[in-house]
Amino acid sequence: NAGVTQTPKFQVLKTGQSMTLQCAQDMNHNSMYWYRQDPGMGLRLIYYSASEGTTDKGEVPNGYNVSRLNKREFSLRLESAAPSQTSVYFCAILYRGRDGELFFGEGSRLTVL
Amino acid sequence: KQEVTQIPAALSVPEGENLVLNCSFTDSAIYNLQWFRQDPGKGLTSLLLIQSSQREQTSGRLNASLDKSSGRSTLYIAASQPGDSATYLCAVRRYAGGTSYGKLTFGQGTILTVHP
Repeated sequence: NAGVTQTPKFQVLKTGQSMTLQCAQDMNHNSMYWYRQDPGMGLRLIYYSASEGTTDKGEVPNGYNVSRLNKREFSLRLESAAPSQTSVYFCAILYRGRDGELFFGEGSRLTVL
Repeated sequence: KQEVTQIPAALSVPEGENLVLNCSFTDSAIYNLQWFRQDPGKGLTSLLLIQSSQREQTSGRLNASLDKSSGRSTLYIAASQPGDSATYLCAVRRYAGGTSYGKLTFGQGTILTVHP
């Protein structure tokens, strides 16, 4: 998927546990995004980062934190996981040189019990 | 607020048929529209991107058209194959001006099944 790597691919957590989803790109693009996908809700933007060191909230940021320490990596952290955060999480990068085309990673499937 | 609707929600066709998937949007002030394919348990794969100034884009058996004034896009798949079975999503990016990229709004998708 166009050089976007997400880890882990699967994770099961108990309510209240914390974890970090990692996303790394190998294409040196500035803009990176975190989405969640839920049945009947479609894809919703959690956070995005327009460039290294900057982050902004999307539609559903509550319960999440992000970190963009370098150009290559953008992480999503759940500080105290809740069952409502059971979802499939996708990282995406925006390819400015291709008119803003968006490329996605394979996804991270998270279950919170 | 931009709303993106995809019709039909599901479509089942025999192999070899030509088919059309529809995407409609409520706000015509768009920057571009992108069509994706998603296989079960996988991420989204970009198929075609149409700029607001363009009328259509083609890639192999796929052709996407855009009528911005009427708020519609169609994805045409020629000579469908079982391997085309997947969920197809369209996403509309709002025009933000300058060098900024506006918000991207996704449709709910059309689940396509092509049976042999």
